[in-house]
Order: sequence, then C-alpha cells, then structure tokens
Amino acid sequence: AQRVTQPEKLLSVFKGAPVELKCNYSYSGSPELFWYVQYSRQRLQLLLRHISRESIKGFTADLNKGETSFHLKKPFAQEEDSAMYYCALNTGGGNKLTFGTGTQLKVEL
Amino acid sequence: NAGVTQTPKFRILKIGQSMTLQCAQDMNHNYMYWYRQDPGMGLKLIYYSVGAGITDKGEVPNGYNVSRSTTEDFPLRLELAAPSQTSVYFCASSYSGSRQPQHFGDGTRLSIL
Repeated sequence: AQRVTQPEKLLSVFKGAPVELKCNYSYSGSPELFWYVQYSRQRLQLLLRHISRESIKGFTADLNKGETSFHLKKPFAQEEDSAMYYCALNTGGGNKLTFGTGTQLKVEL
Repeated sequence: NAGVTQTPKFRILKIGQSMTLQCAQDMNHNYMYWYRQDPGMGLKLIYYSVGAGITDKGEVPNGYNVSRSTTEDFPLRLELAAPSQTSVYFCASSYSGSRQPQHFGDGTRLSIL
C-alpha cells in the first residue's frame, strides 16, 4: 500500500538558515510527488511538483527513487516561509493523492 | 473566480443527526475530491469523482455518501453522525488526468457531540 512519511511534526529554524523538510514514500508504481503548503489563514495550495523540476519561492525538491525520498529544500529561510507543509503522492486513477502528516515550519528572527 | 467554495465553515451536530457539506467549483474541473483531516494527521480521501454521475470510494468512505449530478457540485452527506466523524473536511478539484494539481477549499470544521 502507498504511504507518505514526514518524520518531523515541527521544524524550527532561524531566518537565513537552510531548510530541509523530509518526505519519504512507499509506492510500488512510478511515483508522482507534490509539495503542498498552507500559510496561516489561507487555503492549502500547490507549492511544487517533481515532474516540473522547478524552483518556487526558492524551494526545490528532487525525487530520489533509490532512497524513496522527495525532500523539500531552501538555502536561506525567510520569515514568510513559516507554514504547514504537506508532501503528497499521486496514486494514479482519478488523480488521487496520499498525504503525509505534514511538517510545521517555523522561521524565527 | 471563487475557485472551490465550501459551506458551512463550521458546524456542530448531535450524535445521530444528518447533514450535507456543500462543495462547488467554478473552474470547470472534471475531478473532485473529499478529504478529512483529523488532528495531527494528514488528509485522508473519503470519496472522489471523475465526472458528473461518476463517484468512487477513497480510503475512508464509511459513514459518508456523495453524489455528482453536475460538474460544479459535489456534496458530501453524513447520514448518522458519530463522534468519530469530528474532523475538518476539505473539498478539492482538478483538471482531468494525472499530475494535475488539486485546488482546495477553505474547509469545514465539524464537531459531533
């Protein structure tokens, strides 16, 4: 069965420090992975997807099939990055998603 | 362009009562979804629909029903509310096909007492 694991419930970093939010997955098929973000008092929204290989708001994520990981990284954290981040796995048919439990990122001044 | 609209935002129900959570989207998306999120947990899929008249179960469908009579609307029905259904419910929609991002509503916070 498919599973997404985000081991950290809370990650606290100082402004300007590097950030890495961990995501590991378990899936027998070819994975399609996403990062969604929820800022305070806003809707859950797409941050980035592995298929696009893009950088959004300074964040990048690389799919590592050998380690079954899709960690989210940013070299220099900003205060506005404080939010809840969810890793999600597309499990095919119907574009369904399996979500991790989320990591609360807190960027301190 | 409102995107995905959920009503109500909050609701308290008594055990055994029934209610319908409304979800509407104005993006002409074929695919729609209902998730629930319990405290400290990720979102879990309840039901989904790939088009009007077509629905299918997700991971946690027990205690819920859905219908999809139009492309725009995807209501979620709780027939006999139970305390275990206390949760935050999210509706989402997407274009057809895989790899399409899902667009979420603001959520409905439901308490069953």
